[in-house]
Amino acid sequence: DQQVKQNSPSLSVQEGRISILNCDYTNSMFDYFLWYKKYPAEGPTFLISISSIKDKNEDGRFTVFLNKSAKHLSLHIVPSQPGDSAVYFCAASGGSQGNLIFGKGTKLSVKP
Amino acid sequence: EAQVTQNPRYLITVTGKKLTVTCSQNMNHEYMSWYRQDPGLGLRQIYYSMNVEVTDKGDVPEGYKVSRKEKRNFPLILESPSPNQTSLYFCASSRLGATGTGELFFGEGSRLTVL
Repeated sequence: DQQVKQNSPSLSVQEGRISILNCDYTNSMFDYFLWYKKYPAEGPTFLISISSIKDKNEDGRFTVFLNKSAKHLSLHIVPSQPGDSAVYFCAASGGSQGNLIFGKGTKLSVKP
Repeated sequence: EAQVTQNPRYLITVTGKKLTVTCSQNMNHEYMSWYRQDPGLGLRQIYYSMNVEVTDKGDVPEGYKVSRKEKRNFPLILESPSPNQTSLYFCASSRLGATGTGELFFGEGSRLTVL
């Protein structure tokens, strides 16, 4: 059973607009959430994270929102740029767990 | 430069021929892990290690072995590869903290084809 779900396999947005990538989780023990970005032929790279004690974390154009009651998080990219085109993975972990659980990813395409 | 290094990057082999994919990190990280990426399935964890001599199964451990004799190295061993192990493999490492595994650093990937 998937503990971390990214229900949209792909998303296409226009350059300059907002990109919103969504992620749902089922395990209430998760207390740390991360987003990774992956370009073809490269390993995933860390983008932004959020602890369960917060509901928002911002880093430049990237903001992650966490709604614990809904077990939902989202990544906002504003403004979107063509270089943001990549696959984005949502991931979650529990404090004492030794593994990071990933979603299946969402492929973002930002069109000029 | 801080990095996770995997070798080989590309490998074509035949069913049953034992192979090892090496992984090395130079960041003194306690935690290391192996993932495989397959179309439509995302990143699935194979094995992980919280520290030297400590390894645990992830979600898809069947057909794989690992060892953690030194902190920096975490090789992935396929004793008898089969075609369903054709995949893109990633090694990752991180420093363990209050938030568990925290930020993982990934290698560039090893594309394995088993004929």
